[in-house]
Amino acid sequence: DIQMTQSPSSLSASVGDRVTISCRASQSINNFLNWYQQKPGKAPKLLIYTTSNLHSGVPSRFSGSGSGTDFTLTINSLQPEDFATYYCQQGHTSPPWTFGQGTKVEIK
Amino acid sequence: EEQLVESGGGLVQPGGSLRLSCAASGFTFTTYWMAWVRQAPGKGLEWVANIKQDGSESHYVDSVKGRFTISRDNAKKSSDLQMNSLRADDTAVYFCATVNMVRGIIMMWGQGTLVIVSS
Repeated sequence: DIQMTQSPSSLSASVGDRVTISCRASQSINNFLNWYQQKPGKAPKLLIYTTSNLHSGVPSRFSGSGSGTDFTLTINSLQPEDFATYYCQQGHTSPPWTFGQGTKVEIK
Repeated sequence: EEQLVESGGGLVQPGGSLRLSCAASGFTFTTYWMAWVRQAPGKGLEWVANIKQDGSESHYVDSVKGRFTISRDNAKKSSDLQMNSLRADDTAVYFCATVNMVRGIIMMWGQGTLVIVSS
């Protein structure tokens, strides 16, 4: 199975900061990399699909990049509603699909 | 409004069975593969199973193969997860979701239902 490793596992940031979260796959997944946001007690929500495509309704301060095995989620000008846990997920070929362990973005 | 609503969670003893259900509304159910994803308390997300639009194909994570069965009823716009031989490490919130199988994207998620396996 493809292993997904996110870094950091948590970070503290202030409103207005630029935040970057990394995700590395154990083998090439082409661009089949998706990002989800989860707030406490809530279901995850799709943020970005296929590396860099914003899901409907997602603010443009979110962006994704990368290819092969290395991917990045960037949040420009962090807003109060962005404090959450973020997960990457590979959708390469058939299941099993795997997630990163999550990155918790906390208020500094 | 597009919506997925799970039900059927609860407390079950090790070795027992439970059937989760997911009711879909507000979208064309047969457009999507359906999936179940779980999250153990305080832990990350784990994809569990997928089923094709017509029910002819399904996939499972290794840890549930032979114990869990995913199904769907397109007439009722629902998907079920039959869970047998439950173990303590199956304790989790179980989310139902729609899937874009071509790109491996989990599109829309339900609110989840909690399963606790404990004696």
